[in-house]
Amino acid sequence: EAEVAQSPRYKITEKSQAVAFWCDPISGHATLYWYRQILGQGPELLVQFQDESVVDDSQLPKDRFSAERLKGVDSTLKIQPAELGDSAMYLCASSRNFYEQYFGPGTRLTVT
Amino acid sequence: AQRVTQPEKLLSVFKGAPVELKCNYSYSGSPELFWYVQYSRQRLQLLLRHISRESIKGFTADLNKGETSFHLKKPFAQEEDSAMYYCALRMDSNYQLIWGAGTKLIIKP
Repeated sequence: EAEVAQSPRYKITEKSQAVAFWCDPISGHATLYWYRQILGQGPELLVQFQDESVVDDSQLPKDRFSAERLKGVDSTLKIQPAELGDSAMYLCASSRNFYEQYFGPGTRLTVT
Repeated sequence: AQRVTQPEKLLSVFKGAPVELKCNYSYSGSPELFWYVQYSRQRLQLLLRHISRESIKGFTADLNKGETSFHLKKPFAQEEDSAMYYCALRMDSNYQLIWGAGTKLIIKP
């Protein structure tokens, strides 16, 4: 069964450093989501792609975060520079029909 | 503003007892509600959605627009139901999900 892939699974970085996360959605899923999940909270949408276009990035802190999905397939989320408050789980999900989102395992980021 | 509230961070019940995980929402549009579940060491996955009106793993949930609630229920809890449960609201304007903070369900033997 196809799954959403994410890497790395864990990342420890020092504040002010750059960090990047990668997501490979399920083949054929046009919609891709990046979420941030702080411990004890539900996922918070950072950015949503439809194919290679950004549908919504209103919650993305654009001064330090960027996201791209150049060929409408896999996607990269970057943080530069990382801050202590960025420590969280970063989840990627994909969807074919907006009804069900399929999640990756997540990347746990720790900023020291 | 749209919001999803799960009032219980933790719910602990004995095996065989009924379970009800509460979810309340605030949304002025036409809501679609979902329950997602995350078992230990597994990824987040869809459990059920109100529009399908089905029972999954013995769980059901009914959308009550008058009370703006979408509580998840199961008559007889099983140990394998122990997991983190998230209620989510899909906005009809942009199809985005608004998530509750989650309830950790522990089924005691």
